[in-house]
Amino acid sequence: QSALTQPRSVSGSPGQSVTISCTGTSSDVGGYNFVSWYQQHPGKAPKLMIYDVTKRPSGVPDRFSGSKSGNTASLTISGLQAEDEADYYCCSYAGSYTLYVFGIGTKVTVL
Amino acid sequence: EVQLVESGGGLVQPGGSLRLSCAASGFTFSSFEMNWVRQAPGKGLEWVSYIGSSGAGARYADSVKGRFTISRDNAKNSLYLEMNSLGVEDTAVYYCVCSRASRDAFDIWGQGTMVTVSS
Repeated sequence: QSALTQPRSVSGSPGQSVTISCTGTSSDVGGYNFVSWYQQHPGKAPKLMIYDVTKRPSGVPDRFSGSKSGNTASLTISGLQAEDEADYYCCSYAGSYTLYVFGIGTKVTVL
Repeated sequence: EVQLVESGGGLVQPGGSLRLSCAASGFTFSSFEMNWVRQAPGKGLEWVSYIGSSGAGARYADSVKGRFTISRDNAKNSLYLEMNSLGVEDTAVYYCVCSRASRDAFDIWGQGTMVTVSS
């Protein structure tokens, strides 16, 4: 099972919106509505930001939103803030054999 | 406070073995599925293994299948990962992760324990 494809980096100015794509196949992203997104600051454990494609855990700002179309899922950060600068990983359920596959990760830079 | 605390990491020679432990507190451990996720230095996240809430249904990534064994002791609120035939490619921070919000979401993470495989 190959890692999901994400852009290596995206950037934006404070207040702007950025979108991170996560492309897989019909065996993972396209086949199930079980895509999640994780934020990771340097030296820290990842933090769940979005699950089941669009759901946001309690405590996660509503600036973060998720969506999916076909084999590509997306995370949008609206009203970018300095503290949003981090690495972001998508993850998808990939069936009862492989279970889960992560994306390669995207570094978000706030200019 | 909801918490997962890993232990057992360290330096091991290629071909060696190590057993990781994860102590859970602040939530009903026995009700939730658990996973191990690892991250090699400077690299991305990699799902390693899954176990059901009762201890059944273990699953493994192809990269560790046949070498790693996941288990849990719900009476002790603990998760384990037995790692054998370790190779340099297994060098990583290993995170204990709970799927509480949804079966397919990793919403509680430990701080991680570092495993270094080197001669």
